[in-house]
Amino acid sequence: EPEVTQTPSHQVTQMGQEVILRCVPISNHLYFYWYRQILGQKVEFLVSFYNNEISEKSEIFDDQFSVERPDGSNFTLKIRSTKLEDSAMYFCASSEAGFRRTGELFFGEGSRLTVL
Amino acid sequence: AQKITQTQPGMFVQEKEAVTLDCTYDTSDPSYGLFWYKQPSSGEMIFLIYQGSYDQQNATEGRYSLNFQKARKSANLVISASQLGDSAMYFCAMRLEYGNKLVFGAGTILRVKS
Repeated sequence: EPEVTQTPSHQVTQMGQEVILRCVPISNHLYFYWYRQILGQKVEFLVSFYNNEISEKSEIFDDQFSVERPDGSNFTLKIRSTKLEDSAMYFCASSEAGFRRTGELFFGEGSRLTVL
Repeated sequence: AQKITQTQPGMFVQEKEAVTLDCTYDTSDPSYGLFWYKQPSSGEMIFLIYQGSYDQQNATEGRYSLNFQKARKSANLVISASQLGDSAMYFCAMRLEYGNKLVFGAGTILRVKS
């Protein structure tokens, strides 16, 4: 069964360093997302991406964050200068369509980011 | 704006019993979708069930069913015949027709006792 894959599964970084989290969405999907989950808290929307541009972003997704689809398969989230509060599990997701009767998001297994 | 409320931080259920996890939502949009996801301790997000706002019947997927009460804006998840492997965090989420993002509730931790 097709799945969303994410790398790395866990990354530890020093405050102020740049981090790139990578995702390979399901191949025929058109919409891509990043979510984050701070330990023990709810899953929060960061950004959605369609047709090679951001379609929606949250207040969390400030200038320190960027997303890119550098080739036909990868979808990356970059955090330019990490802060302690960026420590969280980051989930990539993809969906076949923006909205339809069965337009569920398929999530990857997450990348845990720890900022020291 | 979308809002999802899950009022039960934690629930216990006896193995083989049924359990209902509550979810209420708030939106002024007439067209939306409601989702339930399961998050086991390993951390991945597993899609369980979907209900569209215009669906006439409650959604069912195996042991999962969604008790959709549109007038009350509730979308409770019912798990029948609970199994030990059902122990996990459960998130209710909503997506509007003219938006892409899922908005999640705070989640309910379910523990199944043997």
